Amino acid sequence: AQSVTQLDSQVPVFEEAPVELRCNYSSSVSVYLFWYVQYPNQGLQLLLKYLSGSTLVKGINGFEAEFNKSQTSFHLRKPSVHISDTAEYFCAVSGDKLSFGAGTTVTVRA
Amino acid sequence: EAQVTQNPRYLITVTGKKLTVTCSQNMNHEYMSWYRQDPGLGLRQIYYSMNVEVTDKGDVPEGYKVSRKEKRNFPLILESPSPNQTSLYFCASRSGLANEQFFGPGTRLTVL
Repeated sequence: AQSVTQLDSQVPVFEEAPVELRCNYSSSVSVYLFWYVQYPNQGLQLLLKYLSGSTLVKGINGFEAEFNKSQTSFHLRKPSVHISDTAEYFCAVSGDKLSFGAGTTVTVRA
Repeated sequence: EAQVTQNPRYLITVTGKKLTVTCSQNMNHEYMSWYRQDPGLGLRQIYYSMNVEVTDKGDVPEGYKVSRKEKRNFPLILESPSPNQTSLYFCASRSGLANEQFFGPGTRLTVL
């Protein structure tokens, strides 16, 4: 069994400020970890993924995430956000199946 | 272009009237899934399939059926829709557990 918990349901942030979205997971098997983004009225697209190797993973649009095995976390960060980063972000874990967290809505304000 | 397609994109129906939402992928992926997205609940998996003729229940399978007779198609069937099945539905596919999952554009279903 596996589960994903996104610790923040909504994150308001000012443009050019940094943002961190928190994700914790639990699984009884080795997992692969993903972050997906859903822009308003669109489907989901992959931001980045962790399979193995370096615990710091870089993705598209300046996002990065750090895998921490001891804390079972996979937090997403961006040092400086833009208005266009306003979206819903989903953390996902792939073990025997792909499970998603409840999502974090990021609203970037000027 | 590699893609997952779903039809219809929008559907309004009434309680008890059987409906099918089609899903097709052109990437030769083994894995296909159906999810529903509801506010505050994220994406919940309804059914998934690891290959032709192999399907299994996800987290919220009640009230839904699927079939996988061909690798590219994975239709979602609601035999007797109810208002609590009003939701946004996504079909998705991927080639393996470690690989990116590609999502369709979504089907917004309203059951009156």
